Amino acid sequence: EIVLTQSPGTLSLSPGERATLSCRASQSVSSSYLAWYQQKPGQAPRLLIYGASSRATGIPDRFSGSGSGTDFTLTISRLEPEDVAVYYCQQYGSSPTFGQGTKVEIK
Amino acid sequence: QVTLKESGPVLVKPTETLTLTCTVSGFSLSNARMGVSWIRQPPGKALEWLAHIFSNDEKSYSTSLKSRLTISKDTSKSQVVLTMTNMDPVDTATYYCARKPRADAFDIWGQGSMVTVSS
Repeated sequence: EIVLTQSPGTLSLSPGERATLSCRASQSVSSSYLAWYQQKPGQAPRLLIYGASSRATGIPDRFSGSGSGTDFTLTISRLEPEDVAVYYCQQYGSSPTFGQGTKVEIK
Repeated sequence: QVTLKESGPVLVKPTETLTLTCTVSGFSLSNARMGVSWIRQPPGKALEWLAHIFSNDEKSYSTSLKSRLTISKDTSKSQVVLTMTNMDPVDTATYYCARKPRADAFDIWGQGSMVTVSS
């Protein structure tokens, strides 16, 4: 099983700042089968990024993904108040696993 | 418009079997590319993938829960069913179903179904 470790646990930033979220895999993620999801309080997760760097339909371009192998990053270029959420990375190979999440807060 | 909706009991007793149904619309379970997964989330905790079924009836399960899970589908009813045996209070969680095209991420999620395990 591929274990995903996300850091930091919580990120507290001001509106307009850049948010950088990290996801590290215990072994290489094949074919960049790495996704990022956003989960707001009381809501289901929403797909943001797939294939490590492709934005899902309707996702604003301030969200971007990068990385390969075992190290991946989600970047929010300019933080908006509506971006307050928990963000999960996931590898979606044959036996999918999720990271433990990074909580993004507004200062 | 693609939607998925979970249904099932809100409360189950320890040792009972949980049966959850995911009813899909806007796509067909017979579409060769399409599959549906079940995922759960205990209160305040992270997401955990449970099981998956593809259109050709190919199935996969979480290694840690495989002995307790069964996933099946009824294409004519557009439904995917998950059963989990021997429920325990630690299984208290919101259970989600999500669409997963082959070789792709979970692109559409249901609203979730909260299940509490208590006597």
